[in-house]
Amino acid sequence: AQSVTQPDIHITVSEGASLELRCNYSYGATPYLFWYVQSPGQGLQLLLKYFSGDTLVQGIKGFEAEFKRSQSSFNLRKPSVHWSDAAEYFCAVGPPTSGTYKYIFGTGTRLKVLA
Amino acid sequence: EAGVTQFPSHSVIEKGQTVTLRCDPISGHDNLYWYRRVMGKEIKFLLHFVKESKQDESGMPNNRFLAERTGGTYSTLKVQPAELEDSGVYFCASSRTLNTEAFFGQGTRLTVV
Repeated sequence: AQSVTQPDIHITVSEGASLELRCNYSYGATPYLFWYVQSPGQGLQLLLKYFSGDTLVQGIKGFEAEFKRSQSSFNLRKPSVHWSDAAEYFCAVGPPTSGTYKYIFGTGTRLKVLA
Repeated sequence: EAGVTQFPSHSVIEKGQTVTLRCDPISGHDNLYWYRRVMGKEIKFLLHFVKESKQDESGMPNNRFLAERTGGTYSTLKVQPAELEDSGVYFCASSRTLNTEAFFGQGTRLTVV
């Protein structure tokens, strides 16, 4: 079955510390991969996406993610967290071919940043 | 350019009542999607419109849910009658084509009491 696993429901880091949010997926083929962020009162904002090519993807707000095919993972990283990064983060996969744009989301990781 | 807009942002209704959620996609986006997040669980796909046509409604939970997209512009999602398990956050998204980025709205938080 197709699924996305975000094993960490909550993560707390200090401001300025590095961050890694984990994402593993189960899919029949290499899907499109996404990370979204939802800040309080806001919609889902796309941080970055991977379709093909370079497995290290740069996104907005200083985030990056690395696709590792052998581990079926797409972990999100940031070298130095800012207080404004406190939010909920969602990993998602989508079909690699044209067709319905049906994303499968993980359950989300809520990030708390300590001052 | 305005983003995806959803109305209302919050709705509290009693079990058995009817609620209608509205989504205004980004202008020019033919593709419109509805997703739902039930408390603490993953965001799940409900359905997909291409213009006014339903392309995929495989995620609709049951026949109490009815989605429409009049004239291929805004969309409504009606729940009738609402049940307790319908509580959650309903997201709408739109994209220009099938393989371009989908932009999400802020969601409508529905609480059925």
